Amino acid sequence: GENVEQHPSTLSVQEGDSAVIKCTYSDSASNYFPWYKQELGKRPQLIIDIRSNVGEKKDQRIAVTLNKTAKHFSLHITETQPEDSAVYFCAASTEQAGTALIFGKGTTLSVSS
Amino acid sequence: KAGVTQTPRYLIKTRGQQVTLSCSPISGHRSVSWYQQTPGQGLQFLFEYFSETQRNKGNFPGRFSGRQFSNSRSEMNVSTLELGDSALYLCASSITTDTEAFFGQGTRLTVV
Repeated sequence: GENVEQHPSTLSVQEGDSAVIKCTYSDSASNYFPWYKQELGKRPQLIIDIRSNVGEKKDQRIAVTLNKTAKHFSLHITETQPEDSAVYFCAASTEQAGTALIFGKGTTLSVSS
Repeated sequence: KAGVTQTPRYLIKTRGQQVTLSCSPISGHRSVSWYQQTPGQGLQFLFEYFSETQRNKGNFPGRFSGRQFSNSRSEMNVSTLELGDSALYLCASSITTDTEAFFGQGTRLTVV
């Protein structure tokens, strides 16, 4: 079955810096790659997603890139702010798996001002 | 529009007991999936239901089971509870099987 690895497990940056989180997946059939943000004590919330027919997607300060050949995808946050501090999870699924998301173990991002 | 609702929010059970957790999806959503979240293992997929049918199942023992009703509400059951079952159980719903999944607040299960 699918396996998703996520790095780094913790990331500390200064306000205004960029943050990059990387994930690799094992199942070449995976074609949907969402990223979730989970603040302490709250539910995970989707911040951006990408499908396999697209190489890059951007939404304001957040971007995701996908390399299907290498089976890895990355989250890029620019101009980080203290409110970006949270745990970020990447995930992967196939059309057949639908909303059966396989998650990475998460990255705790700390943005200090 | 109401979000995904999970009940109860907190639960304390004794080893060996069984427990049933409930998830009411967003109105119009037909797909419900369940996840176990623990500090060491992160978010692990349990199972997914669509139109009352279990479509996918994660790598959990048979003590974990679930079902979905005709109104899309879903329940999961854990029998013969073990200490290691202590976790936050999250459900997520989506309109179909390949659209954005919205999470509920979760049920915090503590097994003593």
